[in-house]
Amino acid sequence: AQTVTQSQPEMSVQEAETVTLSCTYDTSESDYYLFWYKQPPSRQMILVIRQEAYKQQNATENRFSVNFQKAAKSFSLKISDSQLGDAAMYFCAYRRNNNDMRFGAGTRLTVKP
Amino acid sequence: NAGVMQNPRHLVRRRGQEARLRCSPMKGHSHVYWYRQLPEEGLKFMVYLQKENIIDESGMPKERFSAEFPKEGPSILRIQQVVRGDSAAYFCASSLDMSGNTIYFGEGSWLTVV
Repeated sequence: AQTVTQSQPEMSVQEAETVTLSCTYDTSESDYYLFWYKQPPSRQMILVIRQEAYKQQNATENRFSVNFQKAAKSFSLKISDSQLGDAAMYFCAYRRNNNDMRFGAGTRLTVKP
Repeated sequence: NAGVMQNPRHLVRRRGQEARLRCSPMKGHSHVYWYRQLPEEGLKFMVYLQKENIIDESGMPKERFSAEFPKEGPSILRIQQVVRGDSAAYFCASSLDMSGNTIYFGEGSWLTVV
């Protein structure tokens, strides 16, 4: 079974600073996909960024980037120039072909003005 | 282009009643997933369906819970004889196919059992 672990229940960052959220996963597969989702107080699940395991290049979406270390099974999310609107729960997720998505327990990010 | 639509958004049921949650996937999507989120917890997989087929129900409780995705109409998650522990947010998601294409989530249905 695949498991996803987020070891930081809560993180805090000063506005305009950079923060990194950690995620590790366990799998025996070589081909899979990794995601970070954001869940603001509205509880809607919003896709932040996605990474294909076969790609060595780290995915980037504006202020959001990942550090994907396949051998270490690590997939951290870096948020640069943090904004107040970034405050939310962040969930790391794993998916392989023909299968559903499995989530970590989440990290609650607080952004201090 | 409407996203994943869930209704009702909020549902209150008394213990022992039935709850029905509906999900219309994004246009063109034929794969539907249901997840449950208890307060202060992450999303837990329940069931994965394609049109008229249940692909994986390994996360579904063995009793009282059932799901369907008929050829026509929305996917339905049905909870019979609800108990207080069923109170949670139930999220539906859909994807285009079974590959790693992104899963898109609805806004969730909040079930409260009183």
